[in-house]
Amino acid sequence: DQQVKQNSPSLSVQEGRISILNCDYTNSMFDYFLWYKKYPAEGPTFLISISSIKDKNEDGRFTVFLNKSAKHLSLHIVPSQPGDSAVYFCAATSKLRNYGQNFVFGPGTRLSVLP
Amino acid sequence: GAVVSQHPSWVICKSGTSVKIECRSLDFQATTMFWYRQFPKQSLMLMATSNEGSKATYEQGVEKDKFLINHASLTLSTLTVTSAHPEDSSFYICSARAGGSSSYNSPLHFGNGTRLTVT
Repeated sequence: DQQVKQNSPSLSVQEGRISILNCDYTNSMFDYFLWYKKYPAEGPTFLISISSIKDKNEDGRFTVFLNKSAKHLSLHIVPSQPGDSAVYFCAATSKLRNYGQNFVFGPGTRLSVLP
Repeated sequence: GAVVSQHPSWVICKSGTSVKIECRSLDFQATTMFWYRQFPKQSLMLMATSNEGSKATYEQGVEKDKFLINHASLTLSTLTVTSAHPEDSSFYICSARAGGSSSYNSPLHFGNGTRLTVT
């Protein structure tokens, strides 16, 4: 049972335009969400996070939106740059003990920003 | 920022041999580290949680005797793939969190991964 879903395996966007990556989750107990970016043959790097008490968090070109009622979050990148081309993982966790300190990761979306 | 160093970045070994992968937190102490495996075009699969000074916690389906984890200090965890077989070829990644065991809502910091190829 996949608790964190990223239904688009890939996305192509023109440079300068907005990239929107989507993530859905099934567990209503998740209360902290993150986005990671991963280049080939490297470990993921943290991008941005959001707590369930917020519905938006912004950091430079990156904005994460959270819709708790829909169990949906999205990452907006604007303007998109060729260096943003990578795989983006959505991750979630909960303060509940059975999650320990780990995150549940989605399958990832490969973003290609075309020059 | 918090840095996690993983070594080696790639390794090729013969079937039947063992390979050790190191994960170090360079500028913070980590009582807990996580080991993941990533298959091509798939997400990160948590293999085990490495706890300093105690036994690792393995996820269902992960063989404890095959993937030996040692977390001897607050800055070092090792994963040893014993008697490696070609099906163990994969990308292994470790992570750790700065900020102590109660900081569930702070980012994990990842190593750069180890590409293991078993011939």
